[in-house]
Amino acid sequence: KAGVTQTPRYLIKTRGQQVTLSCSPISGHRSVSWYQQTPGQGLQFLFEYFSETQRNKGNFPGRFSGRQFSNSRSEMNVSTLELGDSALYLCASRRAQIQETQYFGPGTRLLVL
Amino acid sequence: DQQVKQNSPSLSVQEGRISILNCDYTNSMFDYFLWYKKYPAEGPTFLISISSIKDKNEDGRFTVFLNKSAKHLSLHIVPSQPGDSAVYFCAANFNKFYFGSGTKLNVKP
Repeated sequence: KAGVTQTPRYLIKTRGQQVTLSCSPISGHRSVSWYQQTPGQGLQFLFEYFSETQRNKGNFPGRFSGRQFSNSRSEMNVSTLELGDSALYLCASRRAQIQETQYFGPGTRLLVL
Repeated sequence: DQQVKQNSPSLSVQEGRISILNCDYTNSMFDYFLWYKKYPAEGPTFLISISSIKDKNEDGRFTVFLNKSAKHLSLHIVPSQPGDSAVYFCAANFNKFYFGSGTKLNVKP
C-alpha cells in the first residue's frame, strides 16, 4: 500500500506570494492533518480534515487554510507569505479519528525569501 | 498550553545499551499514545503505539510503557544501535494529536 505523498517536495517563494501544498493520504484513510515544523521546534498542528470537513484547528492565523476533497486528498494554502513561514510542512493521514495511528508523508520544504 | 512534554532535549547512549526516552502529559482524556522517529528534512516515522487501557506494548527492540497515574510515557530501546540516532517525538491523542518537542537521541558506536 502506498504511503502518504506530498507535492511539491521543495518550494521557494518570495514574501507576499501565496502557496498551495498538496497531500494524498494512504488509500482508505479519511482523515488528513497538517503540521508545521520550524528549525528547533516540534510539530505545530495546523488543522485536521475528515470527510471533507475541518474537524480541528490549531493556533495559526487565517492566512493558513486548507480543504479536503471527496477522494480524501487535501490541499493547504498559505497566503501573503512571510519569512517566518519558512518551514517543513507535514501531512499525516489516518483511517479515522479514534485511536488510529497517524502516518506522515515526507513533507514539503518551503523557503520564503 | 503544552499538554505533552519531553523534558530532555537530548540523550546520548553507548551502542548496545538501553535508551530510555520519557514523555509527560497533563490531559487525562488522552486515550492513545505513540512514538515517532524523525530524521532531518523527513517526515516522522511511526514506531510504536499504546492504548490507554494497556500499560506496556512491545515491538522488537522497542517497548513503550504507560503509567496513567503518573501521566508518564516512556520508550525503551534495547539494544541501542547507531542507526537509532534521530529525534524521537511522543504524541497523545484525544480528538487530535498533541506532540512533545522531541528528544534527540545519539547512539555512540
